[in-house]
Amino acid sequence: GNSVTQMEGPVTLSEEAFLTINCTYTATGYPSLFWYVQYPGEGLQLLLKATKADDKGSNKGFEATYRKETTSFHLEKGSVQVSDSAVYFCALSDPGGGSEKLVFGKGTKLTVNP
Amino acid sequence: DGGITQSPKYLFRKEGQNVTLSCEQNLNHDAMYWYRQDPGQGLRLIYYSQIVNDFQKGDIAEGYSVSREKKESFPLTVTSAQKNPTAFYLCASSGTTYNSPLHFGNGTRLTVT
Repeated sequence: GNSVTQMEGPVTLSEEAFLTINCTYTATGYPSLFWYVQYPGEGLQLLLKATKADDKGSNKGFEATYRKETTSFHLEKGSVQVSDSAVYFCALSDPGGGSEKLVFGKGTKLTVNP
Repeated sequence: DGGITQSPKYLFRKEGQNVTLSCEQNLNHDAMYWYRQDPGQGLRLIYYSQIVNDFQKGDIAEGYSVSREKKESFPLTVTSAQKNPTAFYLCASSGTTYNSPLHFGNGTRLTVT
């Protein structure tokens, strides 16, 4: 079946450091890929998405590129801020399926220190 | 502003009691979902509904029940049959077009003792 594997957390960085959170997936066909973010005490919010190979999703300084050859969708940000502290979830949607087919990774907790 | 409202934020119950978690949305979305979040396990789908008066089991439906009598509302009942009910519960909604993103509420933390 489809699955998503994220790097284990927690990740702790200093403000202005470079961030990478690794995400790899296993899927049949051509899934769409997503990053969701969960701030403390809140639900998840869509951060960015990519729907086909070589697409780059971007939002709020975060980027991720859909790499079919390596089945990866790593999240990057060039300079993190304290306000980026949150849990980040990588997810994929079964091609042709609705949102009920969304498969989430286990989440990676990021803490950014001033 | 449109959004999803879950209430209450914190809920405490004694073992053996049923409890109902509220979820209301004003986004005019057809589809609604319930997820359970446990530390280190990500999100697991409990139930979902794509249209009023219809719903389907997700991956971990045992011990839970839902209803969808109105488009705006999708309450979840955690029954006494759920063996490990203490968790963070998230409600979400989406449109039904391909790749419609999920919109989440802020969750209800249920503690059963």
